[in-house]
Parts: sequence; structure tokens; C-alpha cells
Amino acid sequence: GAVVSQHPSWVICKSGTSVKIECRSLDFQATTMFWYRQFPKQSLMLMATSNEGSKATYEQGVEKDKFLINHASLTLSTLTVTSAHPEDSSFYICSAPKSGGAGELFFGEGSRLTVL
Amino acid sequence: SQQGEEDPQALSIQEGENATMNCSYKTSINNLQWYRQNSGRGLVHLILIRSNEREKHSGRLRVTLDTSKKSSSLLITASRAADTASYFCASQKGQGAQKLVFGQGTRLTINP
Repeated sequence: GAVVSQHPSWVICKSGTSVKIECRSLDFQATTMFWYRQFPKQSLMLMATSNEGSKATYEQGVEKDKFLINHASLTLSTLTVTSAHPEDSSFYICSAPKSGGAGELFFGEGSRLTVL
Repeated sequence: SQQGEEDPQALSIQEGENATMNCSYKTSINNLQWYRQNSGRGLVHLILIRSNEREKHSGRLRVTLDTSKKSSSLLITASRAADTASYFCASQKGQGAQKLVFGQGTRLTINP
């Protein structure tokens, strides 16, 4: 089946630094990818929709200058958390729709970010 | 919040019993999906039911959809310890590459 790879799986950084998370579709092309954020024992909150070759669409309340999304190719989307602060610590998960499917998403394994 | 609700938030049952989880959503939908998440991992798609469907089966999974009540249920029959995970429903307004709006999730624990 289709696989979405996410890297790194976990990262610890100092406050004020920037962190980049990669999301790759390994055996299919994805013109659209979705970035979610999940706090412990909570649900997934959609942050933004990443569109290949164009600007990402951000959900209300998500700072686009804080969470930079780049979808440079049909298999790679990146999320950069800029000037990270402890409140940005969270589990970030990307997903991509199944080609020709009815709407099912394939999810990466997630990236746990801890900002000290 | 656009998110739907799920109940129960947590469910603990004995192996072999059936587990039922319920989900409500807020807007009209094209389909309703259920996902499973093991602790600290990504989500795995389980089943999708379209808005014109009322019930769907996949192995030990049975999903129902009531669009008049904007609700869905997931039944796992003959539960196994390996079914221990969090289960999320997710609604989708359109077809294809459309965003999903997730429910709050149910943490299911199957006791051996």
C-alpha cells in the first residue's frame, strides 16, 4: 500500500531555533498534503493544506509566518516551525490522499517536537 | 470548534467482547471515515462510509451512519488485545483530496 514517510520522528531543540519536518510520499505522487497537530491525548487539528507548486492554505488561527510550508515537488512537503517556543511542542503529523481514492488519507508516523 | 465529538472518551473491555464507539459531526458530509492510532504513531485508515450508505462491514469492523442525526458508530467484534488503540472518526465534506475534520477520539483498551 501507499506509504508516507515523515522525518524526523522526534526532535528536541532550543527555544528560538527553527525546525524542519519533512513529509514524503514514497510510492505515489501527492499534489496535496495535509499537516495536522496533535496534543497529548487529544484529537488532530488541521493546520494547513499543502499544495504542490502554490501557496499553502492555512486554517484559521494558524500563523503562516510561524509554520512555513513548502511543497516543492509531487512527493515532498516540508513544515518549518520558525523561532520555536515551548508552546510549539507537539506531535505533528502529515498526510496525503490516496490516488484515485474516495478520500482516504495516508498518514506519516508523526514527528514529536520538544522545545526546551 | 469544528471538531465532532466521540463517546465514550475511553473504553476498557475484556478480550472477546464487542466494542462500540460513537461519533457525531457538525456539517453535511460526503463521507465519514474511521482511523486507528497506536500510541505515539501515525493514523491508519480503517473504513470509509459514504453519505448515501447506512452500514458497512470490513472484517470484524461494522460502521453505521445516520446522516439525519449526524452520527456514526464503529463496532469492533470479538475484540483482541491488539485492538488496543485510539480510534478517531473523521468527516469529509467533499470527495477526493479534501481535508478531514477529526472527532475527539476514543481510547480503547482491551484487557487480556
